[in-house]
Amino acid sequence: EPEVTQTPSHQVTQMGQEVILRCVPISNHLYFYWYRQILGQKVEFLVSFYNNEISEKSEIFDDQFSVERPDGSNFTLKIRSTKLEDSAMYFCASTDREGAGNTIYFGEGSWLTVV
Amino acid sequence: DQQVKQNSPSLSVQEGRISILNCDYTNSMFDYFLWYKKYPAEGPTFLISISSIKDKNEDGRFTVFLNKSAKHLSLHIVPSQPGDSAVYFCAAVVVGNTGKLIFGQGTTLQVKP
Repeated sequence: EPEVTQTPSHQVTQMGQEVILRCVPISNHLYFYWYRQILGQKVEFLVSFYNNEISEKSEIFDDQFSVERPDGSNFTLKIRSTKLEDSAMYFCASTDREGAGNTIYFGEGSWLTVV
Repeated sequence: DQQVKQNSPSLSVQEGRISILNCDYTNSMFDYFLWYKKYPAEGPTFLISISSIKDKNEDGRFTVFLNKSAKHLSLHIVPSQPGDSAVYFCAAVVVGNTGKLIFGQGTTLQVKP
């Protein structure tokens, strides 16, 4: 079964450092997402990306965050200057079509710890 | 702004019995509802969904019921198995938007052998 892969699985970083989380979505998918889950809280939407541009972003996704699809396979989330409250599990997701949700596949997550 | 709410943080059920997980929502624009299952240190995996024009959808041991007037949905698992022990997230989406999912807080289900 096709899957979304994410690297690294776990990263510890110093506050103020830049972090890049990488994702390889399923190959024929066109819509890409980042979600995050702070420990003990719900999964929250960060950003959606389609046709090489952001289609929607949440309030969490401020100027410290950016996404990029640098080539045909990778989809990255960059946090420019990490804060303690950025510590969370970050999930990448992709789908081949918009909306229905049952075709959205999630990666296994990248656990970010900011110290 | 909690558009999707799961008011029970945890549920414990005996193996073989029915598990009922509940979810409430506030946004009447949602037109698709989904349940995701999540194990620790893994991403959410899709379980079952229901369109807002339906009131029931069944897939094997899993059935989702939707009561639009009450803005309430529930997931029934019958019979429950120990392998069902996980966190269950209710999610909703407005089809035709960017496809973003709005998740509830999750309910941890423990099925005891």
